[in-house]
Amino acid sequence: EAQVTQNPRYLITVTGKKLTVTCSQNMNHEYMSWYRQDPGLGLRQIYYSMNVEVTDKGDVPEGYKVSRKEKRNFPLILESPSPNQTSLYFCASSASDRRGFYEQYFGPGTRLTVT
Amino acid sequence: DAKTTQPTSMDCAEGRAANLPCNHSTISGNEYVYWYRQIHSQGPQYIIHGLKNNETNEMASLIITEDRKSSTLILPHATLRDTAVYYCIVRVEWAGTASKLTFGTGTRLQVTL
Repeated sequence: EAQVTQNPRYLITVTGKKLTVTCSQNMNHEYMSWYRQDPGLGLRQIYYSMNVEVTDKGDVPEGYKVSRKEKRNFPLILESPSPNQTSLYFCASSASDRRGFYEQYFGPGTRLTVT
Repeated sequence: DAKTTQPTSMDCAEGRAANLPCNHSTISGNEYVYWYRQIHSQGPQYIIHGLKNNETNEMASLIITEDRKSSTLILPHATLRDTAVYYCIVRVEWAGTASKLTFGTGTRLQVTL
């Protein structure tokens, strides 16, 4: 089954304790990205990757890092989490189909709470 | 990407057609109209997209006006499982935008018995 998986699904942590949220896709997609969703602000892109070793900042990259060492994985790293990073996080992947259309597939989400 | 305007919320009776409007009066000639939906904190899900012709798939129909300044997503027989936030997105489709969707606030559709 084609899917994007994220782990963990739920995480409660404390300020300053480094954490990594993993994202993996099994569709051989070139493009991957991370979004965060906050009430009243909608989904905002954090970082994206157009292929292995190619990453770039989205709209709200501060406080986050990413890496893309393998095509299927795109982990999100919070080196020193702060309470304002409490949010619902989504990973997504996409690739062009024969029509040139990039449908985005989203993971199930990771609910992060930083105290 | 062109800006879109959608009603904040709508109700629909189960079994009836749900018609969700979207205004995109500043759309450019090469911008597509997309619809995604998000069911209660799950990851958004693609529904349908189109450029200028009406489109239909197993989930929904998309009606785009001739001047392309507005569109309507139609769920022909809404069920309770269609209760979700529906996002209308307008953008150019190319590799440079492949990684990003710009979500607005969407329309919260409540399907009731």
